[in-house]
Amino acid sequence: KNEVEQSPQNLTAQEGEFITINCSYSVGISALHWLQQHPGGGIVSLFMLSSGKKKHGRLIATINIQEKHSSLHITASHPRDSAVYICAANMDSNYQLIWGAGTKLIIKP
Amino acid sequence: EAQVTQNPRYLITVTGKKLTVTCSQNMNHEYMSWYRQDPGLGLRQIYYSMNVEVTDKGDVPEGYKVSRKEKRNFPLILESPSPNQTSLYFCASSSPTSGRGKTQYFGPGTRLLVL
Repeated sequence: KNEVEQSPQNLTAQEGEFITINCSYSVGISALHWLQQHPGGGIVSLFMLSSGKKKHGRLIATINIQEKHSSLHITASHPRDSAVYICAANMDSNYQLIWGAGTKLIIKP
Repeated sequence: EAQVTQNPRYLITVTGKKLTVTCSQNMNHEYMSWYRQDPGLGLRQIYYSMNVEVTDKGDVPEGYKVSRKEKRNFPLILESPSPNQTSLYFCASSSPTSGRGKTQYFGPGTRLLVL
């Protein structure tokens, strides 16, 4: 069993829908990262969370340390949001990342 | 502009012909890492380096070598490439003093095809 689990694996939605991607982890972590990989391959860091909630534009990331769970939300989704979203966990006091398998999101116009 | 650069971006080679993929960062980061990404397997770490002259194996180090002679550079060396090393490779760097904790900054990726 992977220590970082993402769901769903694939998600297709219509433009404008509210999107939620989930990430659960089973190890003690110091931070949880959300990253975005566009079809061209490039990877961009979206958020790094150790507690609570962060917002950047239409993206919101939350983490519940007690439940070992994080969510990435996209409000008013747009076709340009189509990408693979990956969560990754920093183990306690460690640079190493444990990677989720990614969620492929397609937003249809 | 703060960035991680990789070269080449695309490479086709033949089995057994040594190759090097370069990685360079201009953010004075201590930590650098190489990943490979394969369909259905996600990102897997090959090697990482905590600082100059300090390198360590990741999850899939077989068939690869690295060096860290300078802080900014972390080349990935395939001494004798094989077809199972066909993959998309990413270099990343990070620093605890970057102001964003241990956020990793990724290079653009190198697509390697070994025939």
